[in-house]
This record gives sequence, structure tokens and C-alpha cells, in this order.
Amino acid sequence: EIVLTQSPGTLSLSPGERATLSCRASQSVSSSYLAWYQQKPGQAPRLLIYGASSRATGIPDRFSGSGSGTDFTLTISRLEPEDFAVYYCQQYGGSPPWTFGQGTKVEIK
Amino acid sequence: EVQLVQSGAEVKKPGESLKISCKGSGYSFTRYWIGWVRQMPGKGLEWMGIIYPGDSDTRYSPSFQGQVTISADKSISTAYLQWSSLKASDTAMYYCARRDSTGTFDIWGQGTMVTVSS
Repeated sequence: EIVLTQSPGTLSLSPGERATLSCRASQSVSSSYLAWYQQKPGQAPRLLIYGASSRATGIPDRFSGSGSGTDFTLTISRLEPEDFAVYYCQQYGGSPPWTFGQGTKVEIK
Repeated sequence: EVQLVQSGAEVKKPGESLKISCKGSGYSFTRYWIGWVRQMPGKGLEWMGIIYPGDSDTRYSPSFQGQVTISADKSISTAYLQWSSLKASDTAMYYCARRDSTGTFDIWGQGTMVTVSS
């Protein structure tokens, strides 16, 4: 089973700032099958990024993903008020289980 | 509109059984895997298992194998998650989600809150 470790646990930033979130895998993620989700309080998660760097339908271009192998990054270029939320990475390559990271909370500073 | 609609919140006692549901609409239910994800209060997302409604092929996370049963009834486009004997530690929000052609969960249900308390 692949273990995903996200850092930092909490990121305190102001609107307009750049957010950089990290996701590290315990072993290589095949074919960059790495996704990012956003979850706001009381809501289901929403898919942001798939294939490490492709934006899902309707996701603003301030969200970008990068990385390969064991190291992946989600970048939010300029934080909007609605971007303050918890972000999870997920690997979905190879055989299940297709595990999630423990999450990074992006909070208003 | 493509959507997954889950059954309502449940309050149960330890040792009781439970089956919650996830009904798909707006797409061909038999052609997409449906996964289940647990979120304990204040915690992160945990991948529990997944089923292909077309042939009921089911895979479980080792952490949940033997603890829950995932099933589907393709005639009514509904997937299920069930417990035979609930524990207090099963208290959580449970989400179903559709696995799309990219392999990710593109559509999520609204969640079913399960509370187990004596």
C-alpha cells in the first residue's frame, strides 16, 4: 500500500498570496496517477487535479499541479477567499487501495 | 445532471446492522466504478473499497476488508455499504464517489453521517 504524506499540515496565508502544498509518496506513483481534491467544511470533496497536472472541468487556472515519481506539488497562484479549505492528494495507480494523504489545511492568516 | 444521492443520516447502537445506499443518475451506472470513502469526525479521507456495478467486481482496502460489505443492484442504479455489527468507532461520514475514465473520483455523493452510540 502506498502511503502519502502531505506537508505542511496547516498553511496560514493571506488572500492574494501563493500557496504551495506538497505530497510525498512512499513509493513511485505509476504513470503520475496523482490527484488533488479540495474539501470545504460540510461539503463533499471536489476534484481539482488529475494525472498530477491536468485540471478537472471548471477548475480555475490559478490551480496547478506538478511532480512525478514520489514528489508532487499543488500550487495556488493567488489565493481567493473561496480557496481556504482542506486539500487532499490521492494516488490511483496500480492495484487498490488508492490511498489519500492526510490533508493540508489552508487557513486565512 | 450526473449525480449520486446517498441515503440519510443514521443513529444506531453498537452491535446493530446497517446498510446505507448511493443512487446514481444521469449516466450509465453499470459502466463506472463506485467507491466508498470514510471521514471520521475532524479527520481525513480514507479509501474503503470500490465496486464495478456491471459485474459486481469488488476491491477492498486491507483496513476495511472483513469489516464492511460493498454491493450494488444495477437494476436500480444503487450501490450499498453495509455493516453486520456496528462499533462506536464506525461513527463517521461516509461518501460514495464515481470513478471516472481518468481513474479519479469526479462525482461525489453528499455523504451519509453514521453515528453509533449506546
